[in-house]
Amino acid sequence: KQEVTQIPAALSVPEGENLVLNCSFTDSAIYNLQWFRQDPGKGLTSLLLIQSSQREQTSGRLNASLDKSSGRSTLYIAASQPGDSATYLCAVRHNQGGKLIFGQGTELSVKP
Amino acid sequence: DTEVTQTPKHLVMGMTNKKSLKCEQHMGHRAMYWYKQKAKKPPELMFVYSYEKLSINESVPSRFSPECPNSSLLNLHLHALQPEDSALYLCASSQDRTAGELFFGEGSRLTVL
Repeated sequence: KQEVTQIPAALSVPEGENLVLNCSFTDSAIYNLQWFRQDPGKGLTSLLLIQSSQREQTSGRLNASLDKSSGRSTLYIAASQPGDSATYLCAVRHNQGGKLIFGQGTELSVKP
Repeated sequence: DTEVTQTPKHLVMGMTNKKSLKCEQHMGHRAMYWYKQKAKKPPELMFVYSYEKLSINESVPSRFSPECPNSSLLNLHLHALQPEDSALYLCASSQDRTAGELFFGEGSRLTVL
């Protein structure tokens, strides 16, 4: 059974810092991995999608990497801003059945 | 346009009421999803529709009844809910059921009194 873990559960950093959020999964038979952002009481916003054959994806200040063999993904946020404060969720889509399995999320706070 | 629209944004209902949540997308996606999310928890999958047919029901109680009238619309009919059903209900869509990026709506905040 696929399990997705995100560490740390919460993170507080000063503005301008570069930071890394971690996501690990137990079954490497994944189709893709997706990173989302969620603001309080809002829906999920898709940040990056990495296919199983890819190693990384970039969008602006965000860079996501994928190492399928070790069951890990990281989301790198450069030059963090207070507007980056949100909960970040990773989710893996399994080869079989295609269900999206979510991690518990990392709650990020960027202080001015 | 990567928008999934959900209505209403907020809903308060009694345990004997019947209400519906609505979801719409115009991205040509053929898979649509309902998720339930409690505070400080990740979304939990409830239902998946693929090509307008129900393909996954995650053992959801019958007081929740999904409906997919066409490829752009998804409804969730609610009847005789319990207070513990209070949550954020999220609709999502993707190109197809087994692959592709998921796009979520802003959610419907449901409170059951």
